[in-house]
Amino acid sequence: GNSVTQMEGPVTLSEEAFLTINCTYTATGYPSLFWYVQYPGEGLQLLLKATKADDKGSNKGFEATYRKETTSFHLEKGSVQVSDSAVYFCALRGGAQKLVFGQGTRLTINP
Amino acid sequence: NAGVTQTPKFQVLKTGQSMTLQCAQDMNHEYMSWYRQDPGMGLRLIHYSVGAGITDQGEVPNGYNVSRSTTEDFPLRLLSAAPSQTSVYFCASSALLTGDDSEAFFGQGTRLTVV
Repeated sequence: GNSVTQMEGPVTLSEEAFLTINCTYTATGYPSLFWYVQYPGEGLQLLLKATKADDKGSNKGFEATYRKETTSFHLEKGSVQVSDSAVYFCALRGGAQKLVFGQGTRLTINP
Repeated sequence: NAGVTQTPKFQVLKTGQSMTLQCAQDMNHEYMSWYRQDPGMGLRLIHYSVGAGITDQGEVPNGYNVSRSTTEDFPLRLLSAAPSQTSVYFCASSALLTGDDSEAFFGQGTRLTVV
């Protein structure tokens, strides 16, 4: 079945550092890929998405590229801010609209 | 802009009690779903619905019931609460679009503790 694997957390960085959160997936067919972000005490919000191979999703300085050859969708940001502290979830959408999530990566940015 | 509204935000139950978690959306979305979030396990799908009168099981349906009598509402029922159901529950909705390009909107969650 479909599955998503994220890098183990938690991740702690200093402000303005470069961020990478790894995400790989297993799926049949050609799923759409997503990154969701969860700020403390809130629900999940869509951060970015890509619906086909080689698509790059981007939002708020974050980017991720749909790599079919490596089945990956790594999240990157060039210079993180304290306000980026949150839990990040990689997800794929397979059949029947079902979202399958990774285990989440808690990111803390120190000033 | 209400979006997806979940109630209650917090609940403590005793083992064996039953309760209903409410979820309502005002975006006329066909697709609604319930997830539970547990540490280190991400979100796991409990039940989902593609429209009024249609529901189906997700990955972890045991101990939960759902119904979808209207497009707007998708309540989740715990029949006989168990400590293993202690979790944070999220309701989500999205439009059913071709091309798989629809965004899922999430409620703020219900933190449930079963003692």
